[in-house]
Amino acid sequence: QQQVKQSPQSLIVQKGGIPIINCAYENTAFDYFPWYQQFPGKGPALLIAIRPDVSEKKEGRFTISFNKSAKQFSLHIMDSQPGDSATYFCAASGGGSNYKLTFGKGTLLTVNP
Amino acid sequence: DVKVTQSSRYLVKRTGEKVFLECVQDMDHENMFWYRQDPGLGLRLIYFSYDVKMKEKGDIPEGYSVSREKKERFSLILESASTNQTSMYLCASSLYSAGTQYFGPGTRLTVL
Repeated sequence: QQQVKQSPQSLIVQKGGIPIINCAYENTAFDYFPWYQQFPGKGPALLIAIRPDVSEKKEGRFTISFNKSAKQFSLHIMDSQPGDSATYFCAASGGGSNYKLTFGKGTLLTVNP
Repeated sequence: DVKVTQSSRYLVKRTGEKVFLECVQDMDHENMFWYRQDPGLGLRLIYFSYDVKMKEKGDIPEGYSVSREKKERFSLILESASTNQTSMYLCASSLYSAGTQYFGPGTRLTVL
């Protein structure tokens, strides 16, 4: 079964800290790696995504780092704010299952003021 | 703005009832998806549809069926609801097969 393993399950940081969430995948055919952000009572929303032809992508305070040889990717949040408190999901798709996103189990991030 | 709407935010049903969850998207997207979200398990795909009247099973289709008679509408059906189907149900749509999925706000279903 195609899997995406996400860690940690939960994370608490102080305002201004740099939380890092890690994901690992098994299927080398995956070629699209998005991160979704979900606030309580809302559906997930796309935050940032990367394809394996680049090793890093930044959008504002959010950065994805991608290591193709290790089959790992991670999300870094610079200068984290209390408003970043949410659940974050990594995901992957590609290969024989182009329609499907395989999600990690999520990380609950709390940023304390 | 892409909008995905779900018919109910909260729903309470009894064991054995037939349950319909409706999802509508307004962006003419080809692909629509139903997920369930449970604590510690993340999002698990139940069914998806890549065209009108076309459907494919996801990872956990048992106990569910779907219907897509119109492009904008995708329904999830629980033929005989059971307590283990108590969950948050999320609908999503996407324009491209492996593109961004846009999610609705979810329906929290409780089966008593």
